[in-house]
Amino acid sequence: DAKTTQPTSMDCAEGRAANLPCNHSTISGNEYVYWYRQIHSQGPQYIIHGLKNNETNEMASLIITEDRKSSTLILPHATLRDTAVYYCIVLLSYNTDKLIFGTGTRLQVFP
Amino acid sequence: EAGVTQFPSHSVIEKGQTVTLRCDPISGHDNLYWYRRVMGKEIKFLLHFVKESKQDESGMPNNRFLAERTGGTYSTLKVQPAELEDSGVYFCASSQAQGQGVSPLHFGNGTRLTVT
Repeated sequence: DAKTTQPTSMDCAEGRAANLPCNHSTISGNEYVYWYRQIHSQGPQYIIHGLKNNETNEMASLIITEDRKSSTLILPHATLRDTAVYYCIVLLSYNTDKLIFGTGTRLQVFP
Repeated sequence: EAGVTQFPSHSVIEKGQTVTLRCDPISGHDNLYWYRRVMGKEIKFLLHFVKESKQDESGMPNNRFLAERTGGTYSTLKVQPAELEDSGVYFCASSQAQGQGVSPLHFGNGTRLTVT
């Protein structure tokens, strides 16, 4: 079973920031928060991950609350190509854990 | 670098036939995974290779599924005999050796299998 809960769907206007929340209240101290997305007809794509600190890369920013029980993925300037299903996944290690995708959040970016 | 490639992209077979899916991971990636999404369901783990060894095959649904990775390079997933419920999209992913790292998975675009 997924260790995370996400809204089923969200909308965002093109050019605006998309903020995708994720709850992971049972996360343990050494578990990472990962975000992947799946654009239609493609395989899942890694976006970003974090442990305690906020993270930023060329794709997105990840904000993790101080108690680590929730996080938010931020796409600063959403484009139509960002329309996808976004998965928040908690993982200790790829050596020991499997990616559990859950149902994710379907983000629709509209013009 | 070339990404994870899967072949074929689509396959339509009849119930009872055999199908073999192939995955070529990113060069140098020791870890290779198979996942699948059955229609209307979530993406589920099937198995994990480290080089040529099966690290975890707990997600393989039954003995009609056989995965191999001879030589630790490309991998094949054979379904024999195929059943209707095997229809879905089969994804392959690879990653570098882990050690203390958290190297993310790189996925291919999948093989869409339809069993009629």
